[in-house]
Amino acid sequence: AQSVTQLDSQVPVFEEAPVELRCNYSSSVSVYLFWYVQYPNQGLQLLLKYLSGSTLVKGINGFEAEFNKSQTSFHLRKPSVHISDTAEYFCAVAPRNQGGKLIFGQGTELSVKP
Amino acid sequence: SQTIHQWPATLVQPVGSPLSLECTVEGTSNPNLYWYRQAAGRGLQLLFYSVGIGQISSEVPQNLSASRPQDRQFILSSKKLLLSDSGFYLCAWSLTNSPLHFGNGTRLTVT
Repeated sequence: AQSVTQLDSQVPVFEEAPVELRCNYSSSVSVYLFWYVQYPNQGLQLLLKYLSGSTLVKGINGFEAEFNKSQTSFHLRKPSVHISDTAEYFCAVAPRNQGGKLIFGQGTELSVKP
Repeated sequence: SQTIHQWPATLVQPVGSPLSLECTVEGTSNPNLYWYRQAAGRGLQLLFYSVGIGQISSEVPQNLSASRPQDRQFILSSKKLLLSDSGFYLCAWSLTNSPLHFGNGTRLTVT
C-alpha cells in the first residue's frame, strides 16, 4: 500500500519570497509522483510529474520538484511566488503498475501575501 | 484535444433523496475513469475507478455506486443521500500510466 504525507497544512509566505512545500511518501513498490494545484471551487490541475529519468522535474508556473528516493520525498519549490499562486497544492503517488490510481496527500494551503 | 465535462457544478439535496452526477470525456477512447471525493479540510479520496464499460471497482464501502454505461461516460449515484455524503466530487480520466486529468468538480451539500 502507498501513503502520502504533506508535512505542512498551511504555508503563509510573502510575495516574491521562495517557497517549499514538503511531501513524503511510503510505498513497497516503485511509484510515479505528481503535484497538483487546486484553485477555489475548481478541479485539480497537474503542475508536474516524475515518471523516470532526471530527479529534478520542472513544471508549469515556474514550479519544480526534486525526487529523492533515499528520503522518499518529492518537495515542491518555487524561487519567487506571486499572489496568483495562492491555492491548495496536493502531492500524489501512483504505483507504477497502476499508473492512474493516485493516492493523495492531505493538501497544503499556500497563502501568498503582498 | 481531450476535454472532460462534469455536471452539475453545485447541488443541494435533502437527506434521503437520490443522487446522479454525470461525467463525460471527449477526444479519447477507452480512458480509465475515476470518481474522487474531497471532504472539507481533507484530501482526496478515491471512490471508484473503471478501466472499461461496465467494469467498476470500489475503493471504499459507502452509500454510493458508480456505473459506466458508455466508454466515455461515468455516473456516480446514490439511492438515499446521507449528511456525510456532502463534499466536492471530482471526476477524472487517464490513459494507462499517464497523469490524471480532472473535471471542475461538483459541490454537493446534503441538508
